Amino acid sequence: ELKVEQNPLFLSMQEGKNYTIYCNYSTTSDRLYWYRQDPGKSLESLFVLLSNGAVKQEGRLMASLDTKARLSTLHITAAVHDLSATYFCAVDMNGYGNKLVFGAGTILRVKS
Amino acid sequence: EAQVTQNPRYLITVTGKKLTVTCSQNMNHEYMSWYRQDPGLGLRQIYYSMNVEVTDKGDVPEGYKVSRKEKRNFPLILESPSPNQTSLYFCASSSLPGQGFYEQYFGPGTRLTVT
Repeated sequence: ELKVEQNPLFLSMQEGKNYTIYCNYSTTSDRLYWYRQDPGKSLESLFVLLSNGAVKQEGRLMASLDTKARLSTLHITAAVHDLSATYFCAVDMNGYGNKLVFGAGTILRVKS
Repeated sequence: EAQVTQNPRYLITVTGKKLTVTCSQNMNHEYMSWYRQDPGLGLRQIYYSMNVEVTDKGDVPEGYKVSRKEKRNFPLILESPSPNQTSLYFCASSSLPGQGFYEQYFGPGTRLTVT
């Protein structure tokens, strides 16, 4: 059974600081997704990482994937309040992108 | 506008009363899925469908049924709801690999309470 573990589960940080969210998974997969969820809202796709060594950046967020280590990271640079949300990683179980196993989510609060 | 719609958005019901949550997408996607979201557990897949009349169990299928008679629709059926099915439900759709798009598009969610 695939397990996906996110760390930390809750993160409170000051504006302007940097931090990294980690996503470890227990079985082989070449594809990983990162989503953002605002309170009471649906999930918004942030990044799709399709191969080992993939790195993608959008604004203050950068995601990377190391399939050998079964690890993905979401790095936050110079956090701002608008980044406050819950972030989920999801591992693609079958390579088709339609069978995902999610981590428990990381609640991020950025304090001004 | 490309979207996944779900109805109803909110539902309060009683134990044992059959209900259906509808899901529709207008992107001509082959793949559709249902997830439930519970605090501390992330999202867990209930069922998924790879095309019309092709469905398969996800990680938590007990107590749920689905059908895929048309490409755009993928209803979730609870034949006899129980309180442990109180949750936030999301429908999602995605296109075939190789078409360059690997994202799952999520609907707005349905908050179900079973008393």
